[in-house]
Amino acid sequence: DADVTQTPRNRITKTGKRIMLECSQTKGHDRMYWYRQDPGLGLRLIYYSFDVKDINKGEISDGYSVSRQAQAKFSLSLESAIPNQTALYFCATSEGAGGPSGANVLTFGAGSRLTVL
Amino acid sequence: AQKVTQAQTEISVVEKEDVTLDCVYETRDTTYYLFWYKQPPSGELVFLIRRNSFDEQNEISGRYSWNFQKSTSSFNFTITASQVVDSAVYFCALSDVYNQGGKLIFGQGTELSVKP
Repeated sequence: DADVTQTPRNRITKTGKRIMLECSQTKGHDRMYWYRQDPGLGLRLIYYSFDVKDINKGEISDGYSVSRQAQAKFSLSLESAIPNQTALYFCATSEGAGGPSGANVLTFGAGSRLTVL
Repeated sequence: AQKVTQAQTEISVVEKEDVTLDCVYETRDTTYYLFWYKQPPSGELVFLIRRNSFDEQNEISGRYSWNFQKSTSSFNFTITASQVVDSAVYFCALSDVYNQGGKLIFGQGTELSVKP
């Protein structure tokens, strides 16, 4: 099994629908992230969480919300999807600052491709 | 503000050619980290290297090498004797050492196509 698992891998939905993308990890990492990838823009940070009780907005959080249900689970929600949220979404994890790999070496999931019609 | 620029959107080479992917960054921090990630056609992101700003030594790993030059704010990536399996999108990224971890600033990516 993958260290970081994202579901669903592909989703097509309609404008106005609520969508949840789920992420679970077996790395035992405290820190989890959601990034969005758009062609020509690279990856941009949506939300990040350093532990279950810590949630922070990233660069492009408008229109999104997250829930950290457990150390291993971090879900991303689009309350009312719109077409410009069509993108490839990545969940990632990292150790805390004291870990041997450092807090900024990310392990990514395989991605969730979302299409909003 | 921090910024990473990968000016080469697409590069196409023939197998066995050497290829260099450029990365230029901007930051006001004196201590920071630079990264390269690979995204093959299957879509996952694979960590290749992390380099901190205090270490300007070039690094070589097999056919891969990285040239870090603080004077020009560049962290270029060279693939020697390219192979078809090197075809992917490559991302350069930056983070400051004091950030809350994981807040990487990514470049736009360079799509490398290696033809047989």
